[in-house]
Amino acid sequence: DAGITQSPRHKVTETGTPVTLRCHQTENHRYMYWYRQDPGHGLRLIHYSYGVKDTDKGEVSDGYSVSRSKTEDFLLTLESATSSQTSVYFCAIASPNFYEQYFGPGTRLTVT
Amino acid sequence: AQTVTQSQPEMSVQEAETVTLSCTYDTSENNYYLFWYKQPPSRQMILVIRQEAYKQQNATENRFSVNFQKAAKSFSLKISDSQLGDTAMYFCAFMKHVDGNKLVFGAGTILRVKS
Repeated sequence: DAGITQSPRHKVTETGTPVTLRCHQTENHRYMYWYRQDPGHGLRLIHYSYGVKDTDKGEVSDGYSVSRSKTEDFLLTLESATSSQTSVYFCAIASPNFYEQYFGPGTRLTVT
Repeated sequence: AQTVTQSQPEMSVQEAETVTLSCTYDTSENNYYLFWYKQPPSRQMILVIRQEAYKQQNATENRFSVNFQKAAKSFSLKISDSQLGDTAMYFCAFMKHVDGNKLVFGAGTILRVKS
């Protein structure tokens, strides 16, 4: 299994509070991704990174920001959480040949 | 933009029988990859099978095989000899050859294998 961890695994927070989710990899892979999973939508890309300090937006980036100061860590921040951001969040890394993405275990976030 | 459609929200199959999950996609690209991912109740995303668009031969992985019809933009997954452990959500996904290699997912099909 690819070495990807996410923290926290579960979080309940209130509307308007900031939230940061962490993805950590031990594979030293260049590309990292954040997706959210919602019923009826599958997984949708929020942001991705193609190197340290190199990031780009995905399909559903509004309300989210990311940072990558080290190869192994990719942070997703909700500056002011809203109920529409209640979801399961997955981090993924791309294999060097890009033929596969390996996913972390997911973080269930509930915004009340 | 690419889109992926899975028209079967839920399916069920008897243990040991065969089931086919449907997936269609829309793209103007010629070089791309298609995937089927499995998500069991544990929530872990597991790659089941991958197909490169430039390959005419359909991919197979043990009991899992695909029917890739490039002209029709169709990519179905066949599971033979279904097992209880196949019960899961299955996602079809598309990836362009370049542009960040981002995955575009379908909405998913819940498969239940009955004993």
